[in-house]
Amino acid sequence: EDQVTQSPEALRLQEGESSSLNCSYTVSGLRGLFWYRQDPGKGPEFLFTLYSAGEEKEKERLKATLTKKESFLHITAPKPEDSATYLCAVQAGGTGNQFYFGTGTSLTVIP
Amino acid sequence: NAGVMQNPRHLVRRRGQEARLRCSPMKGHSHVYWYRQLPEEGLKFMVYLQKENIIDESGMPKERFSAEFPKEGPSILRIQQVVRGDSAAYFCASSPRGHYEQYFGPGTRLTVT
Repeated sequence: EDQVTQSPEALRLQEGESSSLNCSYTVSGLRGLFWYRQDPGKGPEFLFTLYSAGEEKEKERLKATLTKKESFLHITAPKPEDSATYLCAVQAGGTGNQFYFGTGTSLTVIP
Repeated sequence: NAGVMQNPRHLVRRRGQEARLRCSPMKGHSHVYWYRQLPEEGLKFMVYLQKENIIDESGMPKERFSAEFPKEGPSILRIQQVVRGDSAAYFCASSPRGHYEQYFGPGTRLTVT
């Protein structure tokens, strides 16, 4: 069964304190791994797509990496505005295009 | 370029009533997905549609739930005879093609009283 597990569930960082969020997955035939940011009461906002092991993407203070079994979202020198829930999703092989989402990591950055 | 639009943003229904949720995809997007999010749970896939076609409804309950994406107009997720367990946030997403990132709307928060 296709599964996505994110850790930690919650993370509190001081402003400027870098860290990483983990997304491990088991899926038959990975088509893509996607990172989203979700603020309270809003829909997920697309951040990155990763397609193959070894791939990396960067955007401002965020960097996403992918291996055959997991992905990391690295946050460098976070600011309070980075506080949000970060969601990981995988798209599996086969005829469907659905995403399988993890339950997210709730990040709080303290000034 | 407007993003994915959903309405209403909040919907309150009494048990037994019908709920209709609407989704307009981003311009140029022909693939629409519906997801449900319960508190403390992840987003769960419900249904995947293209214009006038249901491609995958494997995540949708067999009874009371239906979805459509007509040739003209928004996609509709319809829940008949709502029960308290249907209370959740329902998100619509769209993409320009199947194997591509999905862009989400702001969601409709359904409360069943």
